[in-house]
Formats: sequence, structure tokens, C-alpha cells
Amino acid sequence: QSALTQPASVSGSLGQSITISCTGTSSDIGAYNYVAWYQQHPDKAPKLMMFNVSSRPSGVPDRFSGSKSDNTASLTISGLQAEDEADYHCGSYTTSSTRIFGTGTKVTVL
Amino acid sequence: QVHLVQSGAEVKNAGASVKVSCKASGYTFTSYFVHWVRQAPGQGLDWVGTINPHGGSTHYPQKLQGRVAMTRDTATSTVYMELSSLRSEDTAVYYCARGPWAGQFDYWGQGTLVTVSS
Repeated sequence: QSALTQPASVSGSLGQSITISCTGTSSDIGAYNYVAWYQQHPDKAPKLMMFNVSSRPSGVPDRFSGSKSDNTASLTISGLQAEDEADYHCGSYTTSSTRIFGTGTKVTVL
Repeated sequence: QVHLVQSGAEVKNAGASVKVSCKASGYTFTSYFVHWVRQAPGQGLDWVGTINPHGGSTHYPQKLQGRVAMTRDTATSTVYMELSSLRSEDTAVYYCARGPWAGQFDYWGQGTLVTVSS
């Protein structure tokens, strides 16, 4: 089972909006709404930013939003801030009862 | 508040075994699954396996079957991940994380660097 596909990098200017895609198959993203997104700053542990496709944990700014269409999930950051510069990883539960993660996306704030 | 505190960095020779601990606090230990995820240098996240602290059942990816073993000690709210027959490609930061069986990982440990030297 290969990793979910994410763009290697996405960039945007302060205040702009960006969207990160995460493409899987009908055995993972397409099968359930168990899609999550994690933010990871250098040399830090991942932090949960979105779960069940579009639910935000307490404390995560509402400029983060999530969606899913067929086998592709997306994370949108509106009003990009300097502190949003980090790596972002998507993750999904699979029909084999395993977990699969994305290839990771580096977000750069210009 | 929820905390997952992991043991310190390890350096092992190829072929050896390593055992990493993850001590949970701030919640009912047996109410959440504990998952292990690793990240090789410069790479993405990779699921290592899951243990149910209530009962101790485990689930591992096929590629690690036979080399990974997860156990728990309910008396100390600690989960252990042991990886045997280490190879250079096992060099990674290993994280424990709390979560439901099928959903998100909501709290993570600080990570443990395991270096395998050949």
C-alpha cells in the first residue's frame, strides 16, 4: 500500500489562501471519513489540525478547513500567517484496518 | 492535561533489538488506543502499529509482522514498542500517539530517535 499523494511544496503570501491536496484510493480516503491532517514544525512532533475530514480540534484557528471529494481530501488555509509555515501530513484509515499517511507537503509563507 | 512521554534516544547495531517506552498521563489509560508512527530522516510518516491498552490486543502492518511487538503495563500507564532484527532503514524518530481505533491521533509523544548503525 503506497503512501497517499501530496504535492511536495505549496507556497503563498501572507494573508492569501492555499489548498493542499491528498489523493488516495477507494480503499482509504474514498472508503471512510477518517481523514486527518497534521502540522509539523521542524524537529517537533506532529500536531492534529483536522479530523473526520472537516472537524477542527479545539484551539485550531478557523482559517483551517478541510474537505473531501471521492478519493481526494484537501486542507485549505485561509489568511495565511507566518506561523503556518510547516510540513503538513494527511492520514487515513483503510479498509484493511491499517493506517496510511501522505507524502507530506512543505508550506512556505512568502 | 494529556501527556505522552517517551524514553530517550537509542543507538543500536544492525541485527539488534530496541524497546521504546511511552508513559501516558492525564486521561484514563485504557480508554484510548495507542499508536506508533515513525519518520525516517527527511521523510513522511509511517504507521508502525496499534495497541489497545484495554486487553492488550495489537495490530501491525504486514511489512513489520514478526519484527515488531507492542505491550502495555496498566499499573504504570506505559506502552512499549519493541523492534527486532534492526536494519539501517529502521533509523527514524518513533512517536507514540493517542487515538481511537479508526480516527485521528490527537496527542503525540515527543518522539524517540532510533539510530541503527551498520
